[in-house]
Amino acid sequence: DIQLTQSPSSLSASVGDRVTITCRASQIITSNLNWYQQKPGKAPNLLIYAASSLQSGVPSRFSGSGSGADFTLTISSLQPEDFATYYCQQTYTTPPWTFGQGTKVEVK
Amino acid sequence: EVQLVESGGGLVQPGGSLRLSCAASGFTFSSYDLHWVRQTPGKGLEWVSTITTAGDTYYPSSVKGRFTISREDAKNSLYLQMNSLRAGDTAVYYCARGGSSSRFAYFQHWGQGTLVTVSS
Repeated sequence: DIQLTQSPSSLSASVGDRVTITCRASQIITSNLNWYQQKPGKAPNLLIYAASSLQSGVPSRFSGSGSGADFTLTISSLQPEDFATYYCQQTYTTPPWTFGQGTKVEVK
Repeated sequence: EVQLVESGGGLVQPGGSLRLSCAASGFTFSSYDLHWVRQTPGKGLEWVSTITTAGDTYYPSSVKGRFTISREDAKNSLYLQMNSLRAGDTAVYYCARGGSSSRFAYFQHWGQGTLVTVSS
């Protein structure tokens, strides 16, 4: 199975900061990489699909980049509502599909 | 508005069975792939199963042979039959709807989740 490694596992940041989270796959997955945001007690929410496509309704401060095996989620200016846990997910070819272990963004 | 509502969770003894349901509304149910994802309390997300519009099914090795995903398009409903349950299956189970892209798979809409607890 394809493994995804997110880094860092957690980070502390302030409102207005630029935040970058990386996701590395154990093999080439082309652009089959998605990003989700999850807040406590809530279901995950799709932010980015196909590595760089912004889901409708998601603020433009969120962006995704990368292809192959290395990917990045960037929040250009962190807002109070962005403190959450972020997961990457690979959906390369047919399942099994996997999620990264998550990155918790906390208040500094 | 797309809505997915899970039901059927609860407490079950090890070795027991449970059937989860997901009632969908707000979209053409038969046109989308559907998925189950679980989350162990305090832990990360784990993909559990997928059923395509054609009825093809997929599972990770952790549940293959014990879980069965199915869909009933006429009732806009998704199901997960879980047999031979283990303590490690304790989690919140989410149903999710796939996206509109024919090229990329992603989980565009999610239900609120239902808690399954496997314990004696």
